[in-house]
Amino acid sequence: GENVEQHPSTLSVQEGDSAVIKCTYSDSASNYFPWYKQELGKGPQLIIDIRSNVGEKKDQRIAVTLNKTAKHFSLHITETQPEDSAVYFCAAHSGSARQLTFGSGTQLTVLP
Amino acid sequence: GAVVSQHPSRVICKSGTSVKIECRSLDFQATTMFWYRQFPKQSLMLMATSNEGSKATYEQGVEKDKFLINHASLTLSTLTVTSAHPEDSSFYICSAQKTDRDTQYFGPGTRLTVL
Repeated sequence: GENVEQHPSTLSVQEGDSAVIKCTYSDSASNYFPWYKQELGKGPQLIIDIRSNVGEKKDQRIAVTLNKTAKHFSLHITETQPEDSAVYFCAAHSGSARQLTFGSGTQLTVLP
Repeated sequence: GAVVSQHPSRVICKSGTSVKIECRSLDFQATTMFWYRQFPKQSLMLMATSNEGSKATYEQGVEKDKFLINHASLTLSTLTVTSAHPEDSSFYICSAQKTDRDTQYFGPGTRLTVL
């Protein structure tokens, strides 16, 4: 089955700096890669996603890149703000499994 | 759009009782709903996948007789934790999906505490 690895597990950045979170996946058939932000005590919220037919997608301060050959994808947050502090999860969707496989999560802390 | 609600948000119950958690897609019809369990500082663990009108598919190690799932309509799925014990205490989260290729939208979660 699919295996998703996520790094780093914790990340601290100064307000205004950029943050990068990286994930790798094992199933070459995976074709959809969402990123979720989870605040304490709340459910995950979709922040951006990318399908396997594109290499990069951007939405304001957030961007995701996908390298299908290397089977890795990354989340980039620019101009970080304290409200960006949360746990971020990457996930991969395998068409054969019809379910999401999640990474282990990254606790992002933006220091004011 | 794509709002998913869960009820209740928090529940405390005595050991041996049953608890029902509702998951609703408020502004779309969900062909598939998923139930996850999350322990503190851990990732989401898929418990089961439910499709409207059919039996849920449970992940390995999840007891189907303990975690009863009903997906009676395209907007409602319920998870019933039967004969709850303290080890069932956890954060339960549902998600809903319009079609197989669509994004999963998550509910706000239900904090279950079994005394």
